[in-house]
Amino acid sequence: ETGVTQSPTHLIKTRGQQVTLRCSSQSGHNTVSWYQQALGQGPQFIFQYYREEENGRGNFPPRFSGLQFPNYSSELNVNALELDDSALYLCASSLERDNNEQFFGPGTRLTVL
Amino acid sequence: AQSVSQHNHHVILSEAASLELGCNYSYGGTVNLFWYVQYPGQHLQLLLKYFSGDPLVKGIKGFEAEFIKSKFSFNLRKPSVQWSDTAEYFCAVNGLNTGKLIFGQGTTLQVKP
Repeated sequence: ETGVTQSPTHLIKTRGQQVTLRCSSQSGHNTVSWYQQALGQGPQFIFQYYREEENGRGNFPPRFSGLQFPNYSSELNVNALELDDSALYLCASSLERDNNEQFFGPGTRLTVL
Repeated sequence: AQSVSQHNHHVILSEAASLELGCNYSYGGTVNLFWYVQYPGQHLQLLLKYFSGDPLVKGIKGFEAEFIKSKFSFNLRKPSVQWSDTAEYFCAVNGLNTGKLIFGQGTTLQVKP
């Protein structure tokens, strides 16, 4: 059983640029959630995708957008990058959207200069 | 507002000492509760979870947690820590019909050999 994978591992961008982060869910999981973890903080929920539809969103501006594909992999897109977007971005997958354990990937470290 | 508070930001213990990490939450309605651990250089992994039933739950590596509904608490305990328990520990909560996990800011545990 393959766990949650994310790519790339690290990324450096400059202010104003756009970035796409990718996540492959664990086999059999149809739900993917994205979190932002700033240094020294706990992860903060960005949004969740269930069967290709957005299923809940946290307190993040519209320049954070996402997508889920028929194979349940997912992308997180961030437009007009700001310095404060520098963080570890975590993807988690689960069997179903509610009341299920979320399995986390290793994360993508994004640095915005 | 929905939130999770972890009382201890940084804990230093000697091997064989007992551990208790505090976690309180603010959330309207029935909740699921989790403790996640992040070992150095590794991704977040689940230590234990409470969905319903016996409020004393046992997890991996000898950890346990007790859900006290009247105190909105879910404290993590281990009778005797090992050097390998050095890690960051996160308490998290979600509601029954939402996949959005709300995390505390984390507690860094350092165990001295």
